Amino acid sequence: DTGVSQDPRHKITKRGQNVTFRCDPISEHNRLYWYRQTLGQGPEFLTYFQNEAQLEKSRLLSDRFSAERPKGSFSTLEIQRTEQGDSAMYLCASSLGLGFRNTEAFFGQGTRLTVV
Amino acid sequence: GENVEQHPSTLSVQEGDSAVIKCTYSDSASNYFPWYKQELGKGPQLIIDIRSNVGEKKDQRIAVTLNKTAKHFSLHITETQPEDSAVYFCAAGANDYKLSFGAGTTVTVRA
Repeated sequence: DTGVSQDPRHKITKRGQNVTFRCDPISEHNRLYWYRQTLGQGPEFLTYFQNEAQLEKSRLLSDRFSAERPKGSFSTLEIQRTEQGDSAMYLCASSLGLGFRNTEAFFGQGTRLTVV
Repeated sequence: GENVEQHPSTLSVQEGDSAVIKCTYSDSASNYFPWYKQELGKGPQLIIDIRSNVGEKKDQRIAVTLNKTAKHFSLHITETQPEDSAVYFCAAGANDYKLSFGAGTTVTVRA
């Protein structure tokens, strides 16, 4: 596997339920990002990991959202008490991250969340 | 924070013609400008990028130009083909990690 893998591809959940998404980055990529994309818009930054450390969270990431990257490998994004406004495509990306230099970020296929 | 504006929002071209998409950015600290292509139901795919130390970069039918003084950059696709039909996003980032994306341009190539 040479790409970023996300699971599941689609998730339909009832309002108020918790959901968890998984992202497997490209091997040896030490940076992992989560973005959210709503219909007709570009991706919006949510959070970012350098290895296992979560270094920044966007204001878009309310306290109902939590992301982890144990051992600096795969990452999970959990949304608690989902709301209809959470419906979106959740994208994961990874990059090599050479020091402070911004390097190419490769995106996964995304997880499409629909809250009904 | 960085604000990226992208124009046009939709673009229809005849197969074989050229397509040009333009973006502007606000943060003078931005120095990395990638372009992504997104097909329906898929994640964005990196097609070309440019850094602030160069003014132009070309890869086969795709080229990107950057004007740091004016804070704008453009994507040029020549000899368009039906498989070029997709949504294209420009993005800007500084010497850190996160990217700010434009709203996207839906390109339709008419056969």
